[in-house]
Amino acid sequence: EAQVTQNPRYLITVTGKKLTVTCSQNMNHEYMSWYRQDPGLGLRQIYYSMNVEVTDKGDVPEGYKVSRKEKRNFPLILESPSPNQTSLYFCASSPSVLGSPLHFGNGTRLTVT
Amino acid sequence: KNEVEQSPQNLTAQEGEFITINCSYSVGISALHWLQQHPGGGIVSLFMLSSGKKKHGRLIATINIQEKHSSLHITASHPRDSAVYICAIPLYSGGGADGLTFGKGTHLIIQP
Repeated sequence: EAQVTQNPRYLITVTGKKLTVTCSQNMNHEYMSWYRQDPGLGLRQIYYSMNVEVTDKGDVPEGYKVSRKEKRNFPLILESPSPNQTSLYFCASSPSVLGSPLHFGNGTRLTVT
Repeated sequence: KNEVEQSPQNLTAQEGEFITINCSYSVGISALHWLQQHPGGGIVSLFMLSSGKKKHGRLIATINIQEKHSSLHITASHPRDSAVYICAIPLYSGGGADGLTFGKGTHLIIQP
């Protein structure tokens, strides 16, 4: 089954404690991206990757890091989380930046206290 | 920056009604996505379209590239159609499309 697997689903942490949200896809997609979703603001792009070892900033990259060492994995790293990073996060993949199908992970609800 | 406007923001209708959700954008694009997000939070891609019309079951999406407008229609609406519907367009920088930018969504409730 084609899917984007994102873990964990829920995460509560404290300010400053490094964390990683994992994202893996099994469709050999070249394009992967991370979004955060906040009430009233909708989905906003954090980082994206056109292919292995190619990553770039989206609209709201501050406080986040990513890596794309393998095609299937695109982890999101928060080196020093802060409360303003409390949000719902989604990973997505597609064959290319404008490709279809576009698959989303199930989301990670992060709370930083 | 590409701007995406959806209307209405909220829509409550009775089961069986014909539903229309609109998406307007400010720059020329080559394709547009319609997404559905159920209360559980998961996001599903409904359509990607670059011209004309696409149909899947009771869902119909249309796009007019020249007028920079797309609509999502639901025929014979059902309570299980209750969800947030989001349109997304390419986010262009100098070199081409980098990703997607999203409308804020239309929150649809279908009452039995």
